Amino acid sequence: TQLLEQSPQFLSIQEGENLTVYCNSSSVFSSLQWYRQEPGEGPVLLVTVVTGGEVKKLKRLTFQFGDARKDSSLHITAAQPGDTGLYLCAGASNTGKLIFGQGTTLQVKP
Amino acid sequence: DTGVSQDPRHKITKRGQNVTFRCDPISEHNRLYWYRQTLGQGPEFLTYFQNEAQLEKSRLLSDRFSAERPKGSFSTLEIQRTEQGDSAMYLCASSLRPDPNTEAFFGQGTRLTVV
Repeated sequence: TQLLEQSPQFLSIQEGENLTVYCNSSSVFSSLQWYRQEPGEGPVLLVTVVTGGEVKKLKRLTFQFGDARKDSSLHITAAQPGDTGLYLCAGASNTGKLIFGQGTTLQVKP
Repeated sequence: DTGVSQDPRHKITKRGQNVTFRCDPISEHNRLYWYRQTLGQGPEFLTYFQNEAQLEKSRLLSDRFSAERPKGSFSTLEIQRTEQGDSAMYLCASSLRPDPNTEAFFGQGTRLTVV
């Protein structure tokens, strides 16, 4: 069974601080995706990483895929209250089915 | 096209009743997925369709659950004899191609509360 362990599960920080969320698995995935989900809404894709060692940047967000394609991290620089939400990592199988981590609830206080 | 649409957004039902949810994917998206999400957790895969064919079902999908996509467009998810443990957000997603690098677009979900 493929599992994704996400940590931390909950993070409460002040505006302007940096943070990193980790996503680890014992399995290799075809790709790994990061989503952000607001309360009462469906997840929205932030980025897809495919190649081992790949780094992608989306404004203040930096995503990294491990060399062995089993783990990933999301780093947010100078967090803002608008970054508050549930961050989910998901491994994609070759059929497109997604295996999600438990999620990280981020609260950024002004 | 405004994205993946799910109906209803909220459903409250008594234990033992049957409920049916509908998902309208993005036009021309061949793949359609159903997920279930409980509070504070990530979504869990339930089943997916390639056009009208149901290709995989999770063991989470007990015999009380059935999903259909009769014409390869919209899909329905029915839960019979609902139990309190069925309370969750039911999410539908669709994608254009069946490969892992193709983005899956999620609907806003149907929140089910079984009382």
